[in-house]
Amino acid sequence: GAVVSQHPSWVICKSGTSVKIECRSLDFQATTMFWYRQFPKQSLMLMATSNEGSKATYEQGVEKDKFLINHASLTLSTLTVTSAHPEDSSFYICSSTDRAGSPLHFGNGTRLTVT
Amino acid sequence: AQKITQTQPGMFVQEKEAVTLDCTYDTSDPSYGLFWYKQPSSGEMIFLIYQGSYDQQNATEGRYSLNFQKARKSANLVISASQLGDSAMYFCAMRVLYGNNRLAFGKGNQVVVIP
Repeated sequence: GAVVSQHPSWVICKSGTSVKIECRSLDFQATTMFWYRQFPKQSLMLMATSNEGSKATYEQGVEKDKFLINHASLTLSTLTVTSAHPEDSSFYICSSTDRAGSPLHFGNGTRLTVT
Repeated sequence: AQKITQTQPGMFVQEKEAVTLDCTYDTSDPSYGLFWYKQPSSGEMIFLIYQGSYDQQNATEGRYSLNFQKARKSANLVISASQLGDSAMYFCAMRVLYGNNRLAFGKGNQVVVIP
């Protein structure tokens, strides 16, 4: 149980365009979704925490206007990278849990390349 | 704030041998959980093992065991009988139990299992 489905698994886009990444909880209600970013050979850095029906909480240094997060339902959270630039190229991965205190379950990640 | 430290360089391990991955942490909260995740080259994050700060016994999960030394604030992962499929990055993470389930990750350990 506690499966998180993330799409797309990879995307290549041109500079200046926007890209939407979706994360769905398939068999549980994800009240909270965490969005992480990972550069090559580095650790996961928390970008923001989204809560269903409310505004996301962004970590310090993360531009909320650039990384738009929507968590409109208990099974879907989206991250939109707006006006993407090559420096936004990274691995983005979401995670959630089916109950407090349980391990976080991760999506398979999205590898974004901005040309 | 929580801090996770993983300082070992990349490791080569002979197949069928055991390997220990070091993790130290720092927190002022008395209630916390420690996690280990495996990230193969494909990118997904695979949950391996969990240790609660009040657990009396070291966690074990198949070939994975956690050497939890609370006074030293260390939570080393031991992988027994290494297999070629164990080649991956391994991340130690911590969560404060009365927080919002967010995880703080260490920088990771690269393990390569050689035949």
